[in-house]
Amino acid sequence: AQTVTQSQPEMSVQEAETVTLSCTYDTSENNYYLFWYKQPPSRQMILVIRQEAYKQQNATENRFSVNFQKAAKSFSLKISDSQLGDTAMYFCAFMIYQGAQKLVFGQGTRLTINP
Amino acid sequence: NAGVMQNPRHLVRRRGQEARLRCSPMKGHSHVYWYRQLPEEGLKFMVYLQKENIIDESGMPKERFSAEFPKEGPSILRIQQVVRGDSAAYFCASSPPAGKAFFGQGTRLTVV
Repeated sequence: AQTVTQSQPEMSVQEAETVTLSCTYDTSENNYYLFWYKQPPSRQMILVIRQEAYKQQNATENRFSVNFQKAAKSFSLKISDSQLGDTAMYFCAFMIYQGAQKLVFGQGTRLTINP
Repeated sequence: NAGVMQNPRHLVRRRGQEARLRCSPMKGHSHVYWYRQLPEEGLKFMVYLQKENIIDESGMPKERFSAEFPKEGPSILRIQQVVRGDSAAYFCASSPPAGKAFFGQGTRLTVV
């Protein structure tokens, strides 16, 4: 069975700072996908970034980037130049693609950006 | 192209009543997924459906819960004889075959 662990229940930084959210996972599979989702107070699940395990290059999306360490089974999210609108719950998620997009989520990290 | 539509957004049921949650996938999406989010937790997979077929229901409780995705109309998650422990946010996601999944805004079920 696959598991996803987020060891930081809460984090808080000042606006414009850089913050890194941690995520580790456990799997015996070799081909899989990893995701970071953002859930603001509206509860909408918003895909932030996606990484395919077969790609060595770390994914980036504007101010968001990941540090994917496959051997260590680690997938951290870095948010640069943080903004007030980044305040949300952040969930790390894992998926084996077997014709179904069945996601396994971590417990979440509540991130607060302070003005 | 409207996103994944879930209704109602909020649903209150008394213990023992039935809850029906609806999910209209994005246009062109034939795959639907249901997830449950308990307070202060991540989402947990419940069931994966394609039109008229349940493909994977490994996350569904064995009793009282059922799901369908008919040829016409939205996908329905049905919870019979609700109990307080069913109170949660229920999310639907949809995708095309081999495509990216998008989430709806969820239905918050409160059992009183």
